[in-house]
Amino acid sequence: DAKTTQPTSMDCAEGRAANLPCNHSTISGNEYVYWYRQIHSQGPQYIIHGLKNNETNEMASLIITEDRKSSTLILPHATLRDTAVYYCIARNAGGTSYGKLTFGQGTILTVHP
Amino acid sequence: DAGVIQSPRHEVTEMGQEVTLRCKPISGHDYLFWYRQTMMRGLELLIYFNNNVPIDDSGMPEDRFSAKMPNASFSTLKIQPSEPRDSAVYFCASSFALTGANVLTFGAGSRLTVL
Repeated sequence: DAKTTQPTSMDCAEGRAANLPCNHSTISGNEYVYWYRQIHSQGPQYIIHGLKNNETNEMASLIITEDRKSSTLILPHATLRDTAVYYCIARNAGGTSYGKLTFGQGTILTVHP
Repeated sequence: DAGVIQSPRHEVTEMGQEVTLRCKPISGHDYLFWYRQTMMRGLELLIYFNNNVPIDDSGMPEDRFSAKMPNASFSTLKIQPSEPRDSAVYFCASSFALTGANVLTFGAGSRLTVL
């Protein structure tokens, strides 16, 4: 799996967009980018994933650069409940170890009033 | 759907005792994962199953840990004997292979404290 690098922590004002960066410069062509988050004392929660194209769902948007070496998770209108640890993971969707997800240290996002 | 169900939510035991953690995956999911989370090491994958068969147990710390999946709706993680360093939150997760993506649904976790 490609190594991902994220900032240790970020702050965001409530109601503003939260933009969380992730660097995955060694990503291979068949590796997807996944984002999960973990709110305190809960299990991790899937947010979004993508391969090449930008993706949007009801939770967030994922912007992947054209060279695929980095991506940004966007929470368009952050709320206090979005305070969590956000994990960016690069993983092959198939292959012999299908399903195995390795979590790094993630970014601690704090949304303040 | 009730999601991934784990029990117990909290367990406090003494060193040397046997601990059994339980997990019921989402119906229809054919992958099941056990993770452990500590402050020092973060989230670590211990073992995962596909169609009740263990696929990768390379993350299991040592022989004191064992996991089973006797059927599609139940899995256990057992620690015998337990040690204080096993104190952690243990998460179970499941996923549906045909989505073609690693979309795991996690349970609420079992917080284990070994005194």
